[in-house]
Amino acid sequence: EPEVTQTPSHQVTQMGQEVILRCVPISNHLYFYWYRQILGQKVEFLVSFYNNEISEKSEIFDDQFSVERPDGSNFTLKIRSTKLEDSAMYFCASSPPRGSGANVLTFGAGSRLTVL
Amino acid sequence: RKEVEQDPGPFNVPEGATVAFNCTYSNSASQSFFWYRQDCRKEPKLLMSVYSSGNEDGRFTAQLNRASQYISLLIRDSKLSDSATYLCAVNIYNQGGKLIFGQGTELSVKP
Repeated sequence: EPEVTQTPSHQVTQMGQEVILRCVPISNHLYFYWYRQILGQKVEFLVSFYNNEISEKSEIFDDQFSVERPDGSNFTLKIRSTKLEDSAMYFCASSPPRGSGANVLTFGAGSRLTVL
Repeated sequence: RKEVEQDPGPFNVPEGATVAFNCTYSNSASQSFFWYRQDCRKEPKLLMSVYSSGNEDGRFTAQLNRASQYISLLIRDSKLSDSATYLCAVNIYNQGGKLIFGQGTELSVKP
């Protein structure tokens, strides 16, 4: 079964450092997303990406965050200067083209970010 | 009011029990509805989509009431392996595939 893959599975970083989380969405999917889940809290939407641009972002997704699709397969989330409160599990997700289950998101296994 | 709100848990039930989860959403323009399952520290996995007519998949039944803005999930004959957190998710109209999740309801099935 096709899957969304994420790397790294766990990253520990110092406050103020830049972090890049990587995702390989399912190959025929066109919509890409990042979500985060702080320990014990709900899954929160960060950003959606379609046709090489951000289609929507949440209040959480401030200037410290950016996303990129540098090639035909990878989708990255960059946090420029990490804060303690960025510690969370970050999930990448993708969904198919509109009209064929476009609203059904498949999630990756997540990247756990710990900021010290 | 929260965009998507679920029953607070946890639900502790014996094997074989029937358990029902409820979820309400605030945006009446919401278009698509889902139940996801999340095991501890793992990713959400789609359990089932929820349709207006209601739908069933084995021991799982999902219902949608648009007038009351309410979604439910019924699990019959619960198994130990059903222990997980159940997430209600709503797609807001005209916002691509973005899902808004509820906070989840934890289920623990005991022998």
